[in-house]
Amino acid sequence: EAQVTQNPRYLITVTGKKLTVTCSQNMNHEYMSWYRQDPGLGLRQIYYSMNVEVTDKGDVPEGYKVSRKEKRNFPLILESPSPNQTSLYFCASRAGVRTDTQYFGPGTRLTVL
Amino acid sequence: AQSVAQPEDQVNVAEGNPLTVKCTYSVSGNPYLFWYVQYPNRGLQFLLKYITGDNLVKGSYGFEAEFNKSQTSFHLKKPSALVSDSALYFCAVRRYNTDKLIFGTGTRLQVFP
Repeated sequence: EAQVTQNPRYLITVTGKKLTVTCSQNMNHEYMSWYRQDPGLGLRQIYYSMNVEVTDKGDVPEGYKVSRKEKRNFPLILESPSPNQTSLYFCASRAGVRTDTQYFGPGTRLTVL
Repeated sequence: AQSVAQPEDQVNVAEGNPLTVKCTYSVSGNPYLFWYVQYPNRGLQFLLKYITGDNLVKGSYGFEAEFNKSQTSFHLKKPSALVSDSALYFCAVRRYNTDKLIFGTGTRLQVFP
């Protein structure tokens, strides 16, 4: 089954404790991205990647890192989480063509205390 | 700058009645327009997209949307609403020569029996 998976689905952590949210897709998509969803703000793009070893900042990259060492994986790293990073996070992927549909993972709900 | 507006936070409709969820956009050049739906505790699911061609686009679950270039709108419609259509709906736009997908803030559709 074609899908985007994220782990963990739920995470409660404390300020300053490094964490990683994993994202994996099995569709051989070139393009992957991370979004955060906050009430009243919709989805905002954090980082995106056009292909292996190619990443770029989205609209709200501060406090986040990403890497793309393999085509299928695109982890999101919070080196020192803060309470304002409490949010619902979605990973997404699409094929290389810009007209293609973006497919989303199930989401990771992160709470930073 | 690219932007998407969903002017209604919530739309209420009785089951069996037609529904419309509004979306207007601002982008230079030709837009690619998308509608996604989010059910509780789920990721976003693709409904339909407009790339080029016919202004009326048909999508999943009986939904359709009409692209109106002069009004820069892409309203989502369904002739007869179902209770199961109750969800959060997002409109998104991508300028034709970019990779960034801009989302609206979302409209919650509530269909009453």
